[in-house]
Amino acid sequence: DQQVKQNSPSLSVQEGRISILNCDYTNSMFDYFLWYKKYPAEGPTFLISISSIKDKNEDGRFTVFLNKSAKHLSLHIVPSQPGDSAVYFCAASGTSYDKVIFGPGTSLSVIP
Amino acid sequence: DSGVTQTPKHLITATGQRVTLRCSPRSGDLSVYWYQQSLDQGLQFLIQYYNGEERAKGNILERFSAQQFPDLHSELNLSSLELGDSALYFCASSVEEGVASVYTGELFFGEGSRLTVL
Repeated sequence: DQQVKQNSPSLSVQEGRISILNCDYTNSMFDYFLWYKKYPAEGPTFLISISSIKDKNEDGRFTVFLNKSAKHLSLHIVPSQPGDSAVYFCAASGTSYDKVIFGPGTSLSVIP
Repeated sequence: DSGVTQTPKHLITATGQRVTLRCSPRSGDLSVYWYQQSLDQGLQFLIQYYNGEERAKGNILERFSAQQFPDLHSELNLSSLELGDSALYFCASSVEEGVASVYTGELFFGEGSRLTVL
């Protein structure tokens, strides 16, 4: 039972354009949603998060949008840079320091 | 540098053997999480400890066990190893419970321990 889904295993984007990574979840009890970036041979690193009481959170080139009614969130990267090429994991957790559930990841390639 | 230390970085062993992976969380973090990443797979949650006690369990096999010690470091024990146990095992830690105002769900990951079972 996959509670966090990322249906696109990979995505290619031209440098300077927008990258949009999508994520769907099934558990309505999730309260926090996060995006992590992972380079090969490294551990995942936190990128940006959003609480369920918000619908948008922005941090520089990265913006996360949350649509609770659709149980969907997306990560926008504008403009995309070659250094953004990595695997992006969507993750979700409950309110009480519950386990953090990760999606399967989307591999983003930004082409110079 | 996330502040989370995992050892060993690489481990090669044979089927049927037993190994122990070690994790030292960031200073001050009371929660430790273990995740498994197999080839072409996402991060599968195994188990979480908070201040020495098991907090949540995921898809952890019965052949696997973990504990968190009084000094907050954690160990993941994998026994009767099978070829399919070959994977990257990540440890992560998070801010202590009670600091709700800063809780974001953010985890700080170590670099992982790569286990190869031959």
